[in-house]
Amino acid sequence: ETGVTQTPRHLVMGMTNKKSLKCEQHLGHNAMYWYKQSAKKPLELMFVYSLEERVENNSVPSRFSPECPNSSHLFLHLHTLQPEDSALYLCASSQDWVGGLAGFTREQYFGPGTRLTVT
Amino acid sequence: EDKVVQSPLSLVVHEGDTVTLNCSYEVTNFRSLLWYKQEKKAPTFLFMLTSSGIEKKSGRLSSILDKKELFSILNITATQTGDSAVYLCAVDGHTGNQFYFGTGTSLTVIP
Repeated sequence: ETGVTQTPRHLVMGMTNKKSLKCEQHLGHNAMYWYKQSAKKPLELMFVYSLEERVENNSVPSRFSPECPNSSHLFLHLHTLQPEDSALYLCASSQDWVGGLAGFTREQYFGPGTRLTVT
Repeated sequence: EDKVVQSPLSLVVHEGDTVTLNCSYEVTNFRSLLWYKQEKKAPTFLFMLTSSGIEKKSGRLSSILDKKELFSILNITATQTGDSAVYLCAVDGHTGNQFYFGTGTSLTVIP
């Protein structure tokens, strides 16, 4: 049983819909991440939250809107998506933010992902 | 541009074989290299390597880092069908940002 859960596991939405992806971590971690995984491409980091503050936003289109109400929950709000946004969206958490000044790396724990299909 | 390259892209072996997966990187401000195993969906953490020449070992899996030549290898001995997965390499670039992931090596172990 993973310490990071994601819902829904599968989502099919039209380009005009609005939906949200949810991530919850039960590990007491301080940092949470959204990644996009497309076929044959490396994982792409989308957003990083550390202690509920957004610390990274990697030039992600505004049709993706993250929200972190507390250190255990992370949302990704979706609206007016494009077919090329179809992918596996993975949430991850780590004890601390990996880009911080702690001077060491913290491994990330991933959720099972949401398979998103935009029609 | 920072990048992480894994090879081969895919590999098919028979049970009992030994495999070596490669990860080379060009990342500024290198801090560590991590290996993950991705079965179906969620990547799971395998190893973190920060120092050259020190082998990390867990059962039949082992990994080593060469910071001079900028690569790491992941070895799996006596492979089993349960080893079938995509193996991801990631590098922590410590530039206030992120892990740089490779595209992964897809390993299939045939009975």
